[in-house]
Amino acid sequence: DIQMTQSPSTLSASVGDRVTITCRASQSVSRWVAWYQQKAGKAPNLLIFKASTLETGVPSRFSGTGSGTEFTLIISSLQPDDFATYYCQQYDSYPLTFGQGTKLEIK
Amino acid sequence: QVQLVQSGTEVKKPGSSVKLSCKASGYTFTSYTIHWVRQAPGQRLEWMGWIIAGNGNTKSSQNFHDRITITRDTSANIVYMELNSLTSEDTAVYYCARVNVLFRPTASLDYWGQGTLVTVSS
Repeated sequence: DIQMTQSPSTLSASVGDRVTITCRASQSVSRWVAWYQQKAGKAPNLLIFKASTLETGVPSRFSGTGSGTEFTLIISSLQPDDFATYYCQQYDSYPLTFGQGTKLEIK
Repeated sequence: QVQLVQSGTEVKKPGSSVKLSCKASGYTFTSYTIHWVRQAPGQRLEWMGWIIAGNGNTKSSQNFHDRITITRDTSANIVYMELNSLTSEDTAVYYCARVNVLFRPTASLDYWGQGTLVTVSS
């Protein structure tokens, strides 16, 4: 199985900050990576697919980069609604796998 | 609008089975693949399998050791996921989700059901 490892696991930040979350794959997954936002008690919400394509309706302050084994989710200017847990997912090979999550907390 | 509405909370005994449903609306049901993903308390998301709604082909994670069966009813636009031989480790919220690409089994997941809590306890 391909392991997806996110860092950091927890991130404290303030409104207006630029934040970066990293996801590393244990082997190359080309660009087949998605990023999701999940709030407590809710289903995940797709933010980015194919490493860097912004899902329709997602604010442009979210962006994604990377290929191969290293991927990054960037939030350019944190808004109050962005405090949540973020997951990366690879869909290059089976079983599809997710990172352990990064919890973004208010500083 | 696209919606996936899942069945309600389940409480099961160890060794039993559970069958969850996911009713789709707002799009052409047979054009998209539906995946099942679960999340145990405080844990990461875990992919379980998918079904191509158009032809019924399925694929599931070997991590479930053939305990999982995914089916669909095209007359009612419903996908089902049955999990057998339940243990306490199967306690989780189970989600169905739709891929975001027509006629492709594997892609990112753009619409999700609200989740179904399954508790396995003696």
